[in-house]
Amino acid sequence: NAGVTQTPKFRILKIGQSMTLQCAQDMNHNYMYWYRQDPGMGLKLIYYSVGAGITDKGEVPNGYNVSRSTTEDFPLRLELAAPSQTSVYFCASSRRQGWNTEAFFGQGTRLTVV
Amino acid sequence: QQQVKQSPQSLIVQKGGISIINCAYENTAFDYFPWYQQFPGKGPALLIAIRPDVSEKKEGRFTISFNKSAKQFSLHIMDSQPGDSATYFCAAGGDMRNAGNMLTFGGGTRLMVKP
Repeated sequence: NAGVTQTPKFRILKIGQSMTLQCAQDMNHNYMYWYRQDPGMGLKLIYYSVGAGITDKGEVPNGYNVSRSTTEDFPLRLELAAPSQTSVYFCASSRRQGWNTEAFFGQGTRLTVV
Repeated sequence: QQQVKQSPQSLIVQKGGISIINCAYENTAFDYFPWYQQFPGKGPALLIAIRPDVSEKKEGRFTISFNKSAKQFSLHIMDSQPGDSATYFCAAGGDMRNAGNMLTFGGGTRLMVKP
């Protein structure tokens, strides 16, 4: 069982370039999330999705876009990369199963913008 | 108020000692309180979780203590081991008004257990 798979693991971008961070889950979870984690800091929610075709902004959405065409995939698009977007990005998924709302995380994508 | 406050930011404990990390929340609609463990270069993974209808949950060396009236909960790691060195995040969730089913995370605690 692969769980949540993120690609790539590492990436260096130049200022102004664009890229897509890929995320796929095989647990048939309705809910998916993108977080960023800056060094020594906690997790900040960028975008989330409650199901295919439905997405919404989180705490720090500026400079990012998402889409959810299938239950499995939730790519994060960075347009016009800026140094402030240097961070580690985590994709996660969950489902509401009674009171248990456990989130499963991918291994992360470490992005550096230079 | 969705914030979850976590302390301390960092913690150094000797091998065999007790590690204690504290969290406080404001939203009384939360009814699920997990702790996540994150090793360097890895994503966070669920360690242990509790519901507010119990005051304590123990799994091996890890215990969550929950104080509903104070809106606080804590993680205790007994007989701390160097392999426990990681970043720990508390979180809160289960607010049914939250359409996204998301967890609200604390700021994290970097634990180092010295041999």
